Amino acid sequence: SYELTQPPSVSVSPGQTATITCSGDKLGDKYASWYQQRPGQSPVLVIYEDYKRPSGIPERFSGSNSGNTATLIISGTQTMDEADYYCQAWDSRPADVVFGGGTTLTVL
Amino acid sequence: EVQLLESGGGLVQPGGSLRLSCAASGFTFSTYAMSWVRQPPGKGLECVADISASGGTTYYADSVKGRFTIFRDNSKNTLYLQLNSLRAEDTALYYCARDSPDGYHKDYWGQGTLVTVSS
Repeated sequence: SYELTQPPSVSVSPGQTATITCSGDKLGDKYASWYQQRPGQSPVLVIYEDYKRPSGIPERFSGSNSGNTATLIISGTQTMDEADYYCQAWDSRPADVVFGGGTTLTVL
Repeated sequence: EVQLLESGGGLVQPGGSLRLSCAASGFTFSTYAMSWVRQPPGKGLECVADISASGGTTYYADSVKGRFTIFRDNSKNTLYLQLNSLRAEDTALYYCARDSPDGYHKDYWGQGTLVTVSS
């Protein structure tokens, strides 16, 4: 089955740029999405179809996807961005939706 | 405003059954595919079942195939997940999620309902 790999944790200082990666075989050939999950809350879509932002998501969130790696970039990271981030890829069928293991972003 | 409200979770013994519900509002329910995504305590996300807008097509993760059944009542704007033959490893927060029109991602999520399988 298809697998997505994320680093367990990433740390960043406030105001700096956070980069979270997601690796999978030929991931660049698929659409990648990213979800933010703050402690005790439900996941929220922050990036879809590699780089698109849903309405209401700040411009500091951006994404890219090429080769075997999708990347979530948070520019000017704020303390409110502390959360778990999950990448997700869509394969040939809806049930083949796959999530990465998640990355805990710490802003300190 | 899109709202998804799950219910039906609780404590159940191994081998038992449970039915989860997800009441949808704020959008035309009958035109969207829907999913159930679970998250064990302290762990990541797993999409366990998906159903097409009409209900005619369903997909299941291998981990639940043959034990869980997803279905919907478009007249009641409600999504369901029937959980049978429950195991300890099914313990998780179960989220209802709306699939995007192209099916590539989940654009709205409910608050989740907790299922605990324990004797």
